[in-house]
Amino acid sequence: GIQVEQSPPDLILQEGANSTLRCNFSDSVNNLQWFHQNPWGQLINLFYIPSGTKQNGRLSATTVATERYSLLYISSSQTTDSGVYFCADYTNAGKSTFGDGTTLTVKP
Amino acid sequence: DAGVTQSPTHLIKTRGQQVTLRCSPKSGHDTVSWYQQALGQGPQFIFQYYEEEERQRGNFPDRFSGHQFPNYSSELNVNALLLGDSALYLCASSSPLGGGDEQFFGPGTRLTVL
Repeated sequence: GIQVEQSPPDLILQEGANSTLRCNFSDSVNNLQWFHQNPWGQLINLFYIPSGTKQNGRLSATTVATERYSLLYISSSQTTDSGVYFCADYTNAGKSTFGDGTTLTVKP
Repeated sequence: DAGVTQSPTHLIKTRGQQVTLRCSPKSGHDTVSWYQQALGQGPQFIFQYYEEEERQRGNFPDRFSGHQFPNYSSELNVNALLLGDSALYLCASSSPLGGGDEQFFGPGTRLTVL
């Protein structure tokens, strides 16, 4: 099945800094999603982005399906952005594969 | 609009016991997927249910089984619990054939096996 590699595994930022998180896929991307997992374990949907670019406030995401990668941009980071960020691909046959996540720590 | 709900929130069992976890999908969704998330790892796909049948399965033993009811809610059953089954179990719903391939997750059930 598809392999999903996320980088970096850990990221520490000062409040106000910008960051880029990356997902690489071993095969064609189908239905790519980005999630933020809060300390209680809830996965919060950030973007559903099989291709192209989307923006939501300080966050934006770009998926280049032909090159099998996706990027999540966080601008002007806040302490509340801390947590684990996952990307996942969901095939049309119903199987999902997650990366191992990027743990983001934003310091005040 | 109710989101995905799961019960119970927490559960403690002993080795060898059996457990049943429950999930109600988001309104309008007919497909339910289950995931296991061990500490420090990403969620691992267990299986997906659509039209009351298992549609896809990940690399999990037969001790993991499920069911989907006519109202689209679902149960995950795990038999002969092992210490390694301790994890956060997540349920996600979607409606791929309804044109929505985006998955939405419930808050999870944290299972501890002693």
